[in-house]
Amino acid sequence: GEDVEQSLFLSVREGDSSVINCTYTDSSSTYLYWYKQEPGAGLQLLTYIFSNMDMKQDQRLTVLLNKKDKHLSLRIADTQTGDSAIYFCAEREGGGNKLTFGTGTQLKVEL
Amino acid sequence: DGGITQSPKYLFRKEGQNVTLSCEQNLNHDAMYWYRQDPGQGLRLIYYSQIVNDFQKGDIAEGYSVSREKKESFPLTVTSAQKNPTAFYLCASSAGGASSYEQYFGPGTRLTVT
Repeated sequence: GEDVEQSLFLSVREGDSSVINCTYTDSSSTYLYWYKQEPGAGLQLLTYIFSNMDMKQDQRLTVLLNKKDKHLSLRIADTQTGDSAIYFCAEREGGGNKLTFGTGTQLKVEL
Repeated sequence: DGGITQSPKYLFRKEGQNVTLSCEQNLNHDAMYWYRQDPGQGLRLIYYSQIVNDFQKGDIAEGYSVSREKKESFPLTVTSAQKNPTAFYLCASSAGGASSYEQYFGPGTRLTVT
């Protein structure tokens, strides 16, 4: 089945850039997503990229997709303490609606 | 104000009891989903429903049951057969169809079984 992997933790200083990485296995993925989860809450969609794109920028967020290596990354510029959360990447298989989520990366922003 | 509600936020049960978690959406979405979240394991799909009166098993359906009698409601029952039910449960919905790209999530229910 599909597998999506992320590193579990990332710590950065406030004002630095954060880069969260994700690898996936399903070559038929159509959309790839980044979700943010604050403590004790549900998931909030941050951004997504269609599989025929290799980059998408949305304010402080930049998503890079390397389809050949099945590698997705999320760069957060000028990271703030409010960015501290768990970040999940997810892939959508083929033409269906099901998402497969990664394990999540806990981002800690230090002053 | 459109969205997904899950109740209650915290739920405590004794081992051996069935418990039903509520999920309601007023987004007029066709598709609804239940996920389970455990630390370090991400979200795992329990059940999903693409239309009223129809649902499919996800990756970890054993010990769970669902119903979809109304478009806006998708309750999840955690049965006594679920070996390790303590977890954070998240409900989501989407408009369905190939053009719908976003799943909207509820705030979650934390279930503790002792």
